Amino acid sequence: EAGVVQSPRYKIIEKKQPVAFWCNPISGHNTLYWYRQNLGQGPELLIRYENEEAVDDSQLPKDRFSAERLKGVDSTLKIQPAELGDSAVYLCASSLDVTSRETQYFGPGTRLLVL
Amino acid sequence: QKEVEQNSGPLSVPEGAIASLNCTYSDRGSQSFFWYRQYSGKSPELIMFIYSNGDKEDGRFTAQLNKASQYVSLLIRDSQPSDSATYLCAVNGGSARQLTFGSGTQLTVLP
Repeated sequence: EAGVVQSPRYKIIEKKQPVAFWCNPISGHNTLYWYRQNLGQGPELLIRYENEEAVDDSQLPKDRFSAERLKGVDSTLKIQPAELGDSAVYLCASSLDVTSRETQYFGPGTRLLVL
Repeated sequence: QKEVEQNSGPLSVPEGAIASLNCTYSDRGSQSFFWYRQYSGKSPELIMFIYSNGDKEDGRFTAQLNKASQYVSLLIRDSQPSDSATYLCAVNGGSARQLTFGSGTQLTVLP
């Protein structure tokens, strides 16, 4: 069974430029998560989708970040414009549903460097 | 106070020894507890989960949960150099209603 797929794996951009990340969750997983992981820290939730609905985006910096999950499968996370502090690893995860006992499976992540 | 706290390490143990990783959490309503392993430059990979007080064993790994003390630990027996990684404790089911991670403990197993 294929795992969570993310692209690109690496991205280097200059500040003020836009950037987008793509995620394809495990087949059949209804819940999709975007996390940001800074160096030496654990992942922090940015947004959670249940099917196509964003049910928790309280930690998404909405002035520059946006996300969508069309048709409840693939998802895209966008930053516009990027700032130096956005340099981090952006992880996508998925789970069958949203219960607290449900295991989340992570994709390989996208390493973003903003110059 | 951080919601999930771990000693950042680094923790070094000799090959074959028992590695003990500890985690405390602040939300008494937390219900589910996970240990993820993260190799350098890779994404987190689930090792174990535990929901009830006591011990849960899976091969060389044992997770221990004490809800009264708000404490969860991971023991790795017969540690191998391949166990060298950062171990992330994660907690779910509390008031935050999301999976909350600690900062991780870096483990090095010396050959």
